[in-house]
Amino acid sequence: DVKVTQSSRYLVKRTGEKVFLECVQDMDHENMFWYRQDPGLGLRLIYFSYDVKMKEKGDIPEGYSVSREKKERFSLILESASTNQTSMYLCASSFHRGRDNEQFFGPGTRLTVL
Amino acid sequence: GNSVTQMEGPVTLSEEAFLTINCTYTATGYPSLFWYVQYPGEGLQLLLKATKADDKGSNKGFEATYRKETTSFHLEKGSVQVSDSAVYFCALRSNYKLTFGKGTLLTVNP
Repeated sequence: DVKVTQSSRYLVKRTGEKVFLECVQDMDHENMFWYRQDPGLGLRLIYFSYDVKMKEKGDIPEGYSVSREKKERFSLILESASTNQTSMYLCASSFHRGRDNEQFFGPGTRLTVL
Repeated sequence: GNSVTQMEGPVTLSEEAFLTINCTYTATGYPSLFWYVQYPGEGLQLLLKATKADDKGSNKGFEATYRKETTSFHLEKGSVQVSDSAVYFCALRSNYKLTFGKGTLLTVNP
């Protein structure tokens, strides 16, 4: 069964803390994505990666960085968390080739920054 | 750039009512189109997709037809159930990136 897992369902952090959100997929997918989901804004792409150690900025990369040291794992890093980064974070993965590859999503991490 | 516009919710229906959620898009080239569903407390799941003009995607009683001439991909279901209560997202895929609409919350009452 297809599986994308995220390290935490709920996370509470303080302003200025460094935050790591982890995502693991077991489907041998090349592509991995990080989105944030906010009411009334839908899903917005933060970063994506199409191979190990490769990354590209999405639509809203400011305040975030990513790391992909292994194919199955993609980490989102908030270097210094701020209250406007309180959100739901969703990880997804897909195969690279093919015109209509489905993205599979994890359950999400709801992050609150106090 | 690419964009997706879907009807704003929330939408509240009685069980067995007909559902339509409108979705239109702007894109260069020939994107693939998707509907995703998010049940309470869960991540997104692919509901249906269409990869070229006039394709009809269908799943679980839901349907949507890729209309290139009107740049639309409206979601329909003939008879909704309480278990269909969820947030529905229209999306387009260009290269390997998805662009999402803002989502439509559907509540179905018994």
